Amino acid sequence: DTGVSQNPRHKITKRGQNVTFRCDPISEHNRLYWYRQTLGQGPEFLTYFQNEAQLEKSRLLSDRFSAERPKGSFSTLEIQRTEQGDSAMYLCASSSSSEAFFGQGTRLTVV
Amino acid sequence: AQRVTQPEKLLSVFKGAPVELKCNYSYSGSPELFWYVQYSRQRLQLLLRHISRESIKGFTADLNKGETSFHLKKPFAQEEDSAMYYCALRWGGDNFNKFYFGSGTKLNVKP
Repeated sequence: DTGVSQNPRHKITKRGQNVTFRCDPISEHNRLYWYRQTLGQGPEFLTYFQNEAQLEKSRLLSDRFSAERPKGSFSTLEIQRTEQGDSAMYLCASSSSSEAFFGQGTRLTVV
Repeated sequence: AQRVTQPEKLLSVFKGAPVELKCNYSYSGSPELFWYVQYSRQRLQLLLRHISRESIKGFTADLNKGETSFHLKKPFAQEEDSAMYYCALRWGGDNFNKFYFGSGTKLNVKP
């Protein structure tokens, strides 16, 4: 599969624990996005990278959230001290032009 | 603020009936509009974009700048069209590489 890959697909964690998700974009894509999707809503923008530079970060992203793309290839999204409200599907997308290609997402459940 | 509105959460039609999924946006510049589709248990994927002016799987969408709409239409719905449909907006300026999504419309095509 040469599409956008996200790991893990599912994550159940206890409140207060830290979690990290990984996204492997399509190899030639320089742009990478993280979105969050909750039930009944469309994807909400979290953050955006162009190569290794994080160019924009949504106000939705509290200080507990951090994202990196160290070599301009894969990206990680870390959530510290998880809360129940963090339960959602976390989507990664990559792009080289106008179209964004999405991964299958990581479903986070905080119990 | 930029916004994408999909007024219908659910649209149910019978096979062979015409379909129109509504999308309105608010933005003062020249946006790019997209329709993404998510079939059951699959990732979000691009259906069509307004700049292509193409028909995909029988669907078309016309950008109406006067009405700020980008409604998705198909003259004869098929059961395999049942899915979640998301309208998305990408625009120029500082936010050119950010996509905003509507909350989605679930299309249910009944036999």
